[in-house]
Amino acid sequence: EDQVTQSPEALRLQEGESSSLNCSYTVSGLRGLFWYRQDPGKGPEFLFTLYSAGEEKEKERLKATLTKKESFLHITAPKPEDSATYLCAPPVVAAGNKLTFGGGTRVLVKP
Amino acid sequence: DAGVIQSPRHEVTEMGQEVTLRCKPISGHNSLFWYRQTMMRGLELLIYFNNNVPIDDSGMPEDRFSAKMPNASFSTLKIQPSEPRDSAVYFCASRTDSTGELFFGEGSRLTVL
Repeated sequence: EDQVTQSPEALRLQEGESSSLNCSYTVSGLRGLFWYRQDPGKGPEFLFTLYSAGEEKEKERLKATLTKKESFLHITAPKPEDSATYLCAPPVVAAGNKLTFGGGTRVLVKP
Repeated sequence: DAGVIQSPRHEVTEMGQEVTLRCKPISGHNSLFWYRQTMMRGLELLIYFNNNVPIDDSGMPEDRFSAKMPNASFSTLKIQPSEPRDSAVYFCASRTDSTGELFFGEGSRLTVL
């Protein structure tokens, strides 16, 4: 069965304190992975698509990396505006590339 | 671009009542998804359509839930009869093709008393 696990569930950081979020998955026929950011009361917002192991993508203070079994989202020198829930989703190729999301990591960055 | 449009944004109803949630995907997108989000279960995929045809409805919790997509610019998710455990935020999302990223609406927050 396809499973997506994100850790930690919650992360409290001081402004400027770098950290990493993990997304591990058991999905047959994996072809990439999506990262999303969700603010309270809003729908998830697309951040990155990673297509193959070894690929990296960056956006401001965020960098996403991908291996065959997991992905990391690194937050470098975070600011309070980086506070959000971060969600990952590997497309399930065998099911028409439907996106099954992990439980998310709630990040709180305190000034 | 107007984005994915959902209505209503908030709905409060009593147990046993029928609830209809509506979604207008982004023009030109040919796949549409319905998700439900709760604190306990996170973001769950209910059903998705490709070119207006339901492809996978394995996430629909039970027969009380039904979804339709009569044309490329409109979809509904109906709950009849509603129950308190259906209280959640329901999201609609669309994408251009099977490999593209999803664009989400702002969600419909449903409270069933």
